[in-house]
Amino acid sequence: AQSVTQLGSHVSVSEGALVLLRCNYSSSVPPYLFWYVQYPNQGLQLLLKYTTGATLVKGINGFEAEFKKSETSFHLTKPSAHMSDAAEYFCAVSTGGTSYGKLTFGQGTILTVHP
Amino acid sequence: NAGVTQTPKFQVLKTGQSMTLQCAQDMNHNSMYWYRQDPGMGLRLIYYSASEGTTDKGEVPNGYNVSRLNKREFSLRLESAAPSQTSVYFCASSERLAGGIYGETQYFGPGTRLLVL
Repeated sequence: AQSVTQLGSHVSVSEGALVLLRCNYSSSVPPYLFWYVQYPNQGLQLLLKYTTGATLVKGINGFEAEFKKSETSFHLTKPSAHMSDAAEYFCAVSTGGTSYGKLTFGQGTILTVHP
Repeated sequence: NAGVTQTPKFQVLKTGQSMTLQCAQDMNHNSMYWYRQDPGMGLRLIYYSASEGTTDKGEVPNGYNVSRLNKREFSLRLESAAPSQTSVYFCASSERLAGGIYGETQYFGPGTRLLVL
């Protein structure tokens, strides 16, 4: 079975500061890893994903994440926060095979950006 | 393209009432999913449909039924609503990648907010 843990249900940063949202996963097979963002009263949209190849993945809006197999982590970062980054962020994992396509989500992290 | 659409946007039900949440996608995707979102619990898969004519249970299927009406539409039915089903419901769709590669992107609808009194 696969699972995802997001450390910190709320993260608060100042505008211009580094954003770091933590995600650890558990999977018995090579994972496919995703970060989704949800703006207030909207559905989820993909920020970035790791499937195979380069472990540093760049996404939309200046976000990036690095897959670290030894640490079972896929932390999301952005060098400089913007007010428009305020949203809830979800890490998710899928493993293919008989579980193909199905996502298991973490609990979510609400990012607040202060002026 | 509208992407994934869901109706209704909001609904209030009394305990025991039934209702159907509608979902449609115009991206010609094979796979469709229903999730519920509850505070502090992320999204949990209720049912999914890998292709037209097939449906399977997800993590939290009790109290729900689904119908994959055609390739475009995937509905979720609550036969006898309970307060525990108060939640935000999301529909999503995805397309299998070629060559047996996994990790396809899911595209989400705007959600249906359901309150069961």
